[in-house]
Amino acid sequence: GENVEQHPSTLSVQEGDSAVIKCTYSDSASNYFPWYKQELGKGPQLIIDIRSNVGEKKDQRIAVTLNKTAKHFSLHITETQPEDSAVYFCAASPRPGANNLFFGTGTRLTVIP
Amino acid sequence: NAGVTQTPKFRILKIGQSMTLQCTQDMNHNYMYWYRQDPGMGLKLIYYSVGAGITDKGEVPNGYNVSRSTTEDFPLRLELAAPSQTSVYFCASSPPNQPQHFGDGTRLSIL
Repeated sequence: GENVEQHPSTLSVQEGDSAVIKCTYSDSASNYFPWYKQELGKGPQLIIDIRSNVGEKKDQRIAVTLNKTAKHFSLHITETQPEDSAVYFCAASPRPGANNLFFGTGTRLTVIP
Repeated sequence: NAGVTQTPKFRILKIGQSMTLQCTQDMNHNYMYWYRQDPGMGLKLIYYSVGAGITDKGEVPNGYNVSRSTTEDFPLRLELAAPSQTSVYFCASSPPNQPQHFGDGTRLSIL
């Protein structure tokens, strides 16, 4: 089955700096790569996703890049704010809504004011 | 605008007890899922359903059962609780081929 690895496990940045979280996956059949933000006591919330037919997607301060050849994808958060502090999960799946959505182990991001 | 609602939010069980974790969604989504999240780990799929009357096993189904009698509800049952089932449980739903929407979880401790 799919194996998703995520690094780093913890990340601290100063407010206003950028944060980058990286994931690798093993199954070449994966074509859908969502990123989730999980705040304390809450469920994961989808913040951005990318499909294998594009290499980059941006939504305001958040961007995701995908290198399908190397089987890795990354989350970039620019101009970080204290409210960005949370645990971020990457995931991989053959398609959205599939029963086989495999998650990384999470990155705890702390933005220091 | 409730989305996916899970009850209870917290529960403590004794070894060998049984309980049902409730999940309901008001978005008319066909697909529903149950995950567990252990400390420091990503979510792992327990069971899923693609519609009323249809369920199937995920990655970690042992010790759990599900049913799907309506589109809205997808309860998860633990028959003989074991310490290894201490975890946070998340329910999710989605339309076909669309991203999943998660509830806020049930934190379950088995002592």
